[in-house]
Amino acid sequence: DAGVIQSPRHEVTEMGQEVTLRCKPISGHNSLFWYRQTMMRGLELLIYFNNNVPIDDSGMPEDRFSAKMPNASFSTLKIQPSEPRDSAVYFCASSFPAASYEQYFGPGTRLTVT
Amino acid sequence: AQSVSQHNHHVILSEAASLELGCNYSYGGTVNLFWYVQYPGQHLQLLLKYFSGDPLVKGIKGFEAEFIKSKFSFNLRKPSVQWSDTAEYFCAVNAHQGGKLIFGQGTELSVKP
Repeated sequence: DAGVIQSPRHEVTEMGQEVTLRCKPISGHNSLFWYRQTMMRGLELLIYFNNNVPIDDSGMPEDRFSAKMPNASFSTLKIQPSEPRDSAVYFCASSFPAASYEQYFGPGTRLTVT
Repeated sequence: AQSVSQHNHHVILSEAASLELGCNYSYGGTVNLFWYVQYPGQHLQLLLKYFSGDPLVKGIKGFEAEFIKSKFSFNLRKPSVQWSDTAEYFCAVNAHQGGKLIFGQGTELSVKP
């Protein structure tokens, strides 16, 4: 298995631009999680899905952030418009709760907003 | 609300020293417990996990953790650290609420050669 796949691995954009981060979970996993990691705030859960349905989005910072999971093999996290304070590493993780609750993390997307 | 507390923010050790990183959680029911490791510039990887049974769990790279239910603790240990153990370590708890993990703040471990 290829593991959790994220793209792009690095993104540099200017303030005000739209940013879309992509994630492909491990095949067969029915839960997907988006995290943000910064030096100041550590690892934060933004949103998670079970069976493609958003369950808890209380960690989404504000309306500029949105996430979708149109099918079991793809999810996006969009920031529009982006701001410098959004600069962080964004991780996607997937799990199969009925089996173990263990989350498998992707390599992350390092976002820099200038 | 459930929470996970890691006692140390940054630990500095010399090679061959013994390691113990503290983790306490606040939840009175059945839990699954995890330790993840994040090497510099990399993503989080599972180090070990506890679901049930023997409270002493052995993981990869010589790490182990002990679940003490009465103390709500799941401390990570290694008898002799190596320079390559330099990383950030995260404790996490699942309280059987839809697969969500509650992560601690992380402990940065620096091992001096």
